Amino acid sequence: EIVMTQSPATLSVSPGERATLSCRASQSVSSNLAWYQQKPGQTPRLLIYGASTRATGIPARFSGSGSGTEFTLTISSLQSEDFAVYYCQQYNNWPRALTFGGGTKVEIK
Amino acid sequence: QLQLQESGPGLVKPSETLSLTCTVSGGSIRTSSYYWGWIRQPPGKGLEWIGSIYYSGSTFYNPSLKSRVTTSVDTSKNQFSLKLTSLTAADTAVYYCARQDIVLIPAAMGRWFDPWGQGTLVTVSS
Repeated sequence: EIVMTQSPATLSVSPGERATLSCRASQSVSSNLAWYQQKPGQTPRLLIYGASTRATGIPARFSGSGSGTEFTLTISSLQSEDFAVYYCQQYNNWPRALTFGGGTKVEIK
Repeated sequence: QLQLQESGPGLVKPSETLSLTCTVSGGSIRTSSYYWGWIRQPPGKGLEWIGSIYYSGSTFYNPSLKSRVTTSVDTSKNQFSLKLTSLTAADTAVYYCARQDIVLIPAAMGRWFDPWGQGTLVTVSS
């Protein structure tokens, strides 16, 4: 199984600041990585797929980068609606198993 | 706009079988472009993929759950379903259904999930 490790577990950021979230894979997943946002009590929302392609309707302040084992989600200027938990997911290991990271909570500083 | 809605019991006893159904509206489940997946999330924890199914009935399961999971699809009702046997308290979670993007060339591959249903909380308790 490919283990996805996200860091930090919690990120405290002020509105308007930049947030950088990390996701590391235990082995290469090429660019087969997605990012999701989950607000409290809500369903996960797809943000990024293919490591760097924004999903439909996702604001340009969200960007993804990386390949292989190291990935980054950057939120360029945090808005109030961006405070949430973010998960990465690899899909390189199909059909053996898809795996998610443990999540990074972005909270208001 | 495609919508998915989970339905099923909110409380199940240990050792019993969980049965959930996902109803798809705003689009057909009978499409060659997507799989249909199940993902769960224990309270306060992260996400775990359970399994996925194609409209033809082809199934793919998380190896850690494979011995207890069965999925099925009913294209006439635009629904797909999940059965999880031998429940324990560790199976308590919010269960989501979702559409899964796929690529068929050079080989079939399930990818990301979008959109998701709103989820249903299943509690395993006597």
